Amino acid sequence: QKEVEQNSGPLSVPEGAIASLNCTYSDRGSQSFFWYRQYSGKSPELIMSIYSNGDKEDGRFTAQLNKASQYVSLLIRDSQPSDSATYLCAVEPNSGSYKYIFGTGTRLKVLA
Amino acid sequence: DTGVSQDPRHKITKRGQNVTFRCDPISEHNRLYWYRQTLGQGPEFLTYFQNEAQLEKSRLLSDRFSAERPKGSFSTLEIQRTEQGDSAMYLCASSFAPGVEQFFGPGTRLTVL
Repeated sequence: QKEVEQNSGPLSVPEGAIASLNCTYSDRGSQSFFWYRQYSGKSPELIMSIYSNGDKEDGRFTAQLNKASQYVSLLIRDSQPSDSATYLCAVEPNSGSYKYIFGTGTRLKVLA
Repeated sequence: DTGVSQDPRHKITKRGQNVTFRCDPISEHNRLYWYRQTLGQGPEFLTYFQNEAQLEKSRLLSDRFSAERPKGSFSTLEIQRTEQGDSAMYLCASSFAPGVEQFFGPGTRLTVL
């Protein structure tokens, strides 16, 4: 079992729709969770962090965390073609080193 | 620009050559991380520093790889006797405290011929 799992996609949504991206993780002791956006050939860009159960909203983005079920999700409202990218889920396991474990990413395509 | 910077942005080398990459973190960040990313994969952790101390190295970091962070400022990652399997994007990230957001530099893309 991979430590952080994401569906590789592509996930295609029409412009203006809600995109829902999911991530599951194996280390139940994980404390910190992050979503990054990565355009082709570029480096990861931080979108959001979430540390406690529930929802966290920032503009068009909402991160959701459920530690009991070991999943974290990202909702993108009013999706735009410029949101087309790979979305990486990163988890900081309870290892004491504070390194991130990344999923393989979900490729999102927003269709105009 | 006060973000993380990396140099060079691209490096093409022949198998067996040594290469060195540099990372300058955000100035107030005392933690610095190196990751490697290959096509279709997420970044994989290589090593990290708190100030000048290298506190963890991944098993991915073979004896051909070495990293330093003298004086707790910039960091270098050296790969000796490069192999074609070393071709990847090498990413540097920094954070100001444990457990908080890491910010990535633009990366160095290495191609080993």
